[in-house]
Amino acid sequence: GAVVSQHPSWVICKSGTSVKIECRSLDFQATTMFWYRQFPKQSLMLMATSNEGSKATYEQGVEKDKFLINHASLTLSTLTVTSAHPEDSSFYICSARALFLLLDSSSYNEQFFGPGTRLTVL
Amino acid sequence: GENVEQHPSTLSVQEGDSAVIKCTYSDSASNYFPWYKQELGKRPQLIIDIRSNVGEKKDQRIAVTLNKTAKHFSLHITETQPEDSAVYFCAASESDYKLSFGAGTTVTVRA
Repeated sequence: GAVVSQHPSWVICKSGTSVKIECRSLDFQATTMFWYRQFPKQSLMLMATSNEGSKATYEQGVEKDKFLINHASLTLSTLTVTSAHPEDSSFYICSARALFLLLDSSSYNEQFFGPGTRLTVL
Repeated sequence: GENVEQHPSTLSVQEGDSAVIKCTYSDSASNYFPWYKQELGKRPQLIIDIRSNVGEKKDQRIAVTLNKTAKHFSLHITETQPEDSAVYFCAASESDYKLSFGAGTTVTVRA
């Protein structure tokens, strides 16, 4: 259980075009999804928090008009890189937050990551 | 915001030896500390996590310790094997929400 998929797995596009990346939680509902960007040999940098039915919350320095996020359902969030440029080339990874309920009535959350999307802008 | 520092950036160990990676965090409100293993081009995989109500947790060859007073936590891998070679990331968050990641440690296990 707790599988997260991303589509596409890799994409090459021309400078100036827009690219949409989908993140799906396959077997659970995720009210919250996160979008990360990872440059080669670097760490994961949180770009934005995507909440179902509301506007995404962007991290400082991330342009909301360039990276459009839509969390239209409890199992799908999309990231659209608008007017992509070569410096946007990166590995984009989403994660979905799952809630686990235990027998003692306690609960905890865990994030599950998608396989990532390799974006190359020519 | 939370700032997580991770050391060392690279670690080479002989197969069978132990590997230790250390992280410090800045936000005393953080209470969830997961460790992820990431192989090249793949997604991060959770290998172990610890919450602020415990000081140590072990899962077979992997253990994590937490010192909330000093705001640091460590990953210990014993009896390392070649398949342990990967990049390891520590992270910290408050209430299992936004994760702040360390810079990563590239672990190489020499056969």
